[in-house]
Amino acid sequence: AQKITQTQPGMFVQEKEAVTLDCTYDTSDPSYGLFWYKQPSSGEMIFLIYQGSYDQQNATEGRYSLNFQKARKSANLVISASQLGDSAMYFCAMRGRTGNQFYFGTGTSLTVIP
Amino acid sequence: EAQVTQNPRYLITVTGKKLTVTCSQNMNHEYMSWYRQDPGLGLRQIYYSMNVEVTDKGDVPEGYKVSRKEKRNFPLILESPSPNQTSLYFCASSSLRGSNIQYFGAGTRLSVL
Repeated sequence: AQKITQTQPGMFVQEKEAVTLDCTYDTSDPSYGLFWYKQPSSGEMIFLIYQGSYDQQNATEGRYSLNFQKARKSANLVISASQLGDSAMYFCAMRGRTGNQFYFGTGTSLTVIP
Repeated sequence: EAQVTQNPRYLITVTGKKLTVTCSQNMNHEYMSWYRQDPGLGLRQIYYSMNVEVTDKGDVPEGYKVSRKEKRNFPLILESPSPNQTSLYFCASSSLRGSNIQYFGAGTRLSVL
């Protein structure tokens, strides 16, 4: 069974500090994709960053980076220099290549404190 | 503008009254999908489609139907809604090439009384 686990229901971070949101996954597919999405209080789902299972380097997009540890099956999101606008729910997701299904974690609510 | 459009955004209905939530994308994406989001459960995939006339069940398909007669449209049908289908629903689409990043609609908040 394929599965995504986010163990941090809620996190707090001081403005301008870095924060790591944890994500572990379970799959038997040799090829898969990992995604992070942001859901602000307005409700829309915003794509942040993608990591392919065969990518040699960790993905980065501006202040977002993905700490991909394949052997440990973890894909943690690192947000550097947190801003008040980063306060939102964050979801980790995975797509297995063979199954074509997408799996989401239960999310982490991040609050940035001024 | 590239987008996924869902309608309606809000819907209140009663048990047993058939309803359809529409989803349309203008990005020529092959892959389309429906999710429901419930507190504490994250997003769960209901159905997905790899292309026209090809649909597959996700993790929570019971009580839902879909169809993919055209590439751009992927409606979600609740033949006989029940209160446990009260939820926030998202449609998403992606290309099957490259990273398969999914782009989401704005969501439909459904209440079944």
